[in-house]
Amino acid sequence: QQQVKQSPQSLIVQKGGISIINCAYENTAFDYFPWYQQFPGKGPALLIAIRPDVSEKKEGRFTISFNKSAKQFSLHIMDSQPGDSATYFCAASNAGNNRKLIWGLGTSLAVNP
Amino acid sequence: DTEVTQTPKHLVMGMTNKKSLKCEQHMGHRAMYWYKQKAKKPPELMFVYSYEKLSINESVPSRFSPECPNSSLLNLHLHALQPEDSALYLCASSQESRRANTGELFFGEGSRLTVL
Repeated sequence: QQQVKQSPQSLIVQKGGISIINCAYENTAFDYFPWYQQFPGKGPALLIAIRPDVSEKKEGRFTISFNKSAKQFSLHIMDSQPGDSATYFCAASNAGNNRKLIWGLGTSLAVNP
Repeated sequence: DTEVTQTPKHLVMGMTNKKSLKCEQHMGHRAMYWYKQKAKKPPELMFVYSYEKLSINESVPSRFSPECPNSSLLNLHLHALQPEDSALYLCASSQESRRANTGELFFGEGSRLTVL
């Protein structure tokens, strides 16, 4: 059973456009929601993370929007660049089991020049 | 550059071989992880060490044997693997207190394992 559902599976965006990736979860005990970025041949790297006490977090061109009532969170990449082309994973964990992240299946993003 | 170093980057082994993957971090993190990642899939948790003690084993077959010699090192010993074990093996670390960790995982670049 996939506890964190991520969509779309793949995404193609033009340079300068907005990339949007969505995730939904079921477990209301989740209290930490990170996004990881993975380039080919590399390990994942934390991009940005949010906790449910805020509805939005912005770091540069990257923004997480969080909707606790809908149990959804999304990643927005503004002014998308070819260098953003990578696989993006959303994830979730809870304080009772915070060493174990529950991962989405990933979104492969391609930004065309 | 990643602060979690994994060696070797590539490993090819036969089903009867014994080999080891190594991971090192010098960030003072007290939680260390082994993950397995298949192509186009998310990482799958295998083992977690907290303060050098095994705290999570995700029902991993005994042909994978983890070891944490000290707070900076993590090994994964491999024996009698199957071709389906071919994957990218990722090591990660995170800050840890006695009550909780901070959440962020720092990953190495992985060891790509091929079992013939």
